[in-house]
Amino acid sequence: AQSVTQPDIHITVSEGASLELRCNYSYGATPYLFWYVQSPGQGLQLLLKYFSGDTLVQGIKGFEAEFKRSQSSFNLRKPSVHWSDAAEYFCAVGGPLGDYKLSFGAGTTVTVRA
Amino acid sequence: DGGITQSPKYLFRKEGQNVTLSCEQNLNHDAMYWYRQDPGQGLRLIYYSQIVNDFQKGDIAEGYSVSREKKESFPLTVTSAQKNPTAFYLCASSIGRDSNQPQHFGDGTRLSIL
Repeated sequence: AQSVTQPDIHITVSEGASLELRCNYSYGATPYLFWYVQSPGQGLQLLLKYFSGDTLVQGIKGFEAEFKRSQSSFNLRKPSVHWSDAAEYFCAVGGPLGDYKLSFGAGTTVTVRA
Repeated sequence: DGGITQSPKYLFRKEGQNVTLSCEQNLNHDAMYWYRQDPGQGLRLIYYSQIVNDFQKGDIAEGYSVSREKKESFPLTVTSAQKNPTAFYLCASSIGRDSNQPQHFGDGTRLSIL
């Protein structure tokens, strides 16, 4: 079964600074990988996804993520954060085709200071 | 606009009472899901449904029940057998059930015990 670890529970970053959120997955084959963002009291919004091909994936809101098979990682980055990026971020991994299950990490809360 | 509507936004349950959370989607998606979110634990799958009149248990189905009588609707009942129901409940849908299909989320229902 697949699993996801997000090592950082909480990150504080200054507005305008860069942001990197870590995600490590466990899965035997090429996984399907997703990053979602959740604002307080809201549902999850898809930021980006990786299935195959180019290992650097561009998403919405200026986010990108890089798939590194050798490190079993799918880290999310943004070059310059805005106050509106304060939220909780979830990494998720899917298994093989025909399997319904998405496994979510525990999430990383991002605080943006002025 | 297409999307997922969850209602109510807040719900209170008395001891021994069953309560039902509503989830409606107009995305014409086949698959629908219910997740439970607790602080620091990410999302855990309660039930999912691939087609009308069919649903499967997820990881934490005990104390919950669902129905899928219409493609658009996937209500979740939290029964009195669920001893710790206080949580944030999220409904999601996807075009198909495969794990490479991004899931779209509603804005959630927060359930509390009176």
